[in-house]
Amino acid sequence: ETGVTQSPTHLIKTRGQQVTLRCSSQSGHNTVSWYQQALGQGPQFIFQYYREEENGRGNFPPRFSGLQFPNYSSELNVNALELDDSALYLCASSLGSSPELYGYTFGSGTRLTVV
Amino acid sequence: GESVGLHLPTLSVQEGDNSIINCAYSNSASDYFIWYKQESGKGPQFIIDIRSNMDKRQGQRVTVLLNKTVKHLSLQIAATQPGDSAVYFCAEIPRGRFGAGTRLTVKP
Repeated sequence: ETGVTQSPTHLIKTRGQQVTLRCSSQSGHNTVSWYQQALGQGPQFIFQYYREEENGRGNFPPRFSGLQFPNYSSELNVNALELDDSALYLCASSLGSSPELYGYTFGSGTRLTVV
Repeated sequence: GESVGLHLPTLSVQEGDNSIINCAYSNSASDYFIWYKQESGKGPQFIIDIRSNMDKRQGQRVTVLLNKTVKHLSLQIAATQPGDSAVYFCAEIPRGRFGAGTRLTVKP
């Protein structure tokens, strides 16, 4: 048990649909990052939120969006799903704005399958 | 372009032997790296980290070496155990550039 909970654990969606994935971080963890991990690959950085504001983004299109809430939970939203969006989506939280000081804690991920 | 990558996709060792997993990076401005272990069905788990002002850092049974000249770092696991079997990633934080990973298999 890492203290970072993601839901759902598995999800199947149809191409073109929209999906919302959720992450619940430990109390006080005001930095959250989302990653996409394709099968057999390392996690790819999507974006990071600090105190409810996006403060960094990887090479992902605008149809990937996020929200962070005051209760240390966050969401990843993906619109117009494509088959290549099938992956494990991970969230990672940290106590402060500098993960190199406090470390990251990862959740177990949501396995999204787009058919 | 910038990348963080691993030399070998798989590594198989005998229980009790030492393991060495390598990682290359291309961004000379990278100053902080983390090694993660990912077991099947789980998220990445922090193992050890190192800053660019260090050449070596040791933990319990693990050592990370950083060679900034050739932009290479390695993870050494002493007395490898079956529970060490997993995929190992190096990552540059906080922008989270991960390599593809090395699958370590420990044979009893």
